[in-house]
Amino acid sequence: DGGITQSPKYLFRKEGQNVTLSCEQNLNHDAMYWYRQDPGQGLRLIYYSQIVNDFQKGDIAEGYSVSREKKESFPLTVTSAQKNPTAFYLCASSTGDRTSEKLFFGSGTQLSVL
Amino acid sequence: GQQVMQIPQYQHVQEGEDFTTYCNSSTTLSNIQWYKQRPGGHPVFLIQLVKSGEVKKQKRLTFQFGEAKKNSSLHITATQTTDVGTYFCAGGGGSNYKLTFGKGTLLTVNP
Repeated sequence: DGGITQSPKYLFRKEGQNVTLSCEQNLNHDAMYWYRQDPGQGLRLIYYSQIVNDFQKGDIAEGYSVSREKKESFPLTVTSAQKNPTAFYLCASSTGDRTSEKLFFGSGTQLSVL
Repeated sequence: GQQVMQIPQYQHVQEGEDFTTYCNSSTTLSNIQWYKQRPGGHPVFLIQLVKSGEVKKQKRLTFQFGEAKKNSSLHITATQTTDVGTYFCAGGGGSNYKLTFGKGTLLTVNP
């Protein structure tokens, strides 16, 4: 089955620790995204990548970092600089065609602080 | 930057009643998309509207895109318990790949 796989489903972070959330897609999509979702809030864009080896900051990039070394993978690192990391993190992908930006989402990772 | 406002934030209905959620953008949109997120799940794409004044239907769901391409609505006729979830609109419009999401409307249905 084609789709987006996020892991782990649940993740706990200690103070001062960096953690990395995994996102893999086998849809052959060029564009990939990371969103943060807080209760009662919409989806806020953290980072996005339109092509391998290139990525752009979204609206709330501070305290996060990403890499895009392979088309299939777009891992997100939540650094210790992110002081309020508890949230539901969603990875998404799209074909990259600007006229059709339909997003396919993974099942998400719930990050909590210990 | 572009902002997308969505109302209401919550809506509770009796099964069989109709439901509508509205989306308004501060800027003209190139397209608008609608997603549904079931409780505990992830957003799933429902539809995309591109043309001014466009209306699309999916069974009991009717989607509209305003003439000025700055607002949109989703109407559900005769709600069912399976309609429960949060409905998000997302506006496209910049010179990049970014969609701007509304905060969503949480729909609960009393059987």
